[in-house]
Amino acid sequence: DAGVIQSPRHEVTEMGQEVTLRCKPISGHDYLFWYRQTMMRGLELLIYFNNNVPIDDSGMPEDRFSAKMPNASFSTLKIQPSEPRDSAVYFCASSTTTGPNQPQHFGDGTRLSIL
Amino acid sequence: DQQVKQNSPSLSVQEGRISILNCDYTNSMFDYFLWYKKYPAEGPTFLISISSIKDKNEDGRFTVFLNKSAKHLSLHIVPSQPGDSAVYFCAAKDRGGSNYKLTFGKGTLLTVNP
Repeated sequence: DAGVIQSPRHEVTEMGQEVTLRCKPISGHDYLFWYRQTMMRGLELLIYFNNNVPIDDSGMPEDRFSAKMPNASFSTLKIQPSEPRDSAVYFCASSTTTGPNQPQHFGDGTRLSIL
Repeated sequence: DQQVKQNSPSLSVQEGRISILNCDYTNSMFDYFLWYKKYPAEGPTFLISISSIKDKNEDGRFTVFLNKSAKHLSLHIVPSQPGDSAVYFCAAKDRGGSNYKLTFGKGTLLTVNP
């Protein structure tokens, strides 16, 4: 079975540019999560969706960040405009609703570098 | 304010010996704990979990111990193998919050030397 698929794997862009990260969750999973990993803060939850609806976006750092899930098989995380401090590894994860303690399945991440 | 703390950034052990990774938490509302393992350039993968109603859960070479009074959990790997070399993240779920929201520690890099 295909796991969570993220693209691109690496992104290097200049400050001020728009960045769009993409995620395809595991088929049949109802929950989708976006995380950011940095040395300073570790792995932190940015936002998560249930059945394509954003449930909790309290981790989104500021208005420059936005996330959408137009359908069950696709989500985007957008940064506009990007800043050097946004450089991090961004992970997408998905899980099922068969129980609250279902583990989350992570993609391999997008390494973002803002110059 | 870190609610889940992994105070050892790294740990090095010899193959065949026991690896013990520690995790402390401050939120008494956490009711479920998980360990994830992460190799370079890959996403974290689920390893083992424990509910707060238990004090031990075992799965093959991996055992997680929970000490609620001390707000401490540990992951034991016996015997350690070179393939276990990875970053290990401790994560916790808040019973008062969403069933799906996890708080992660910063991770511990385990190196198992042949």
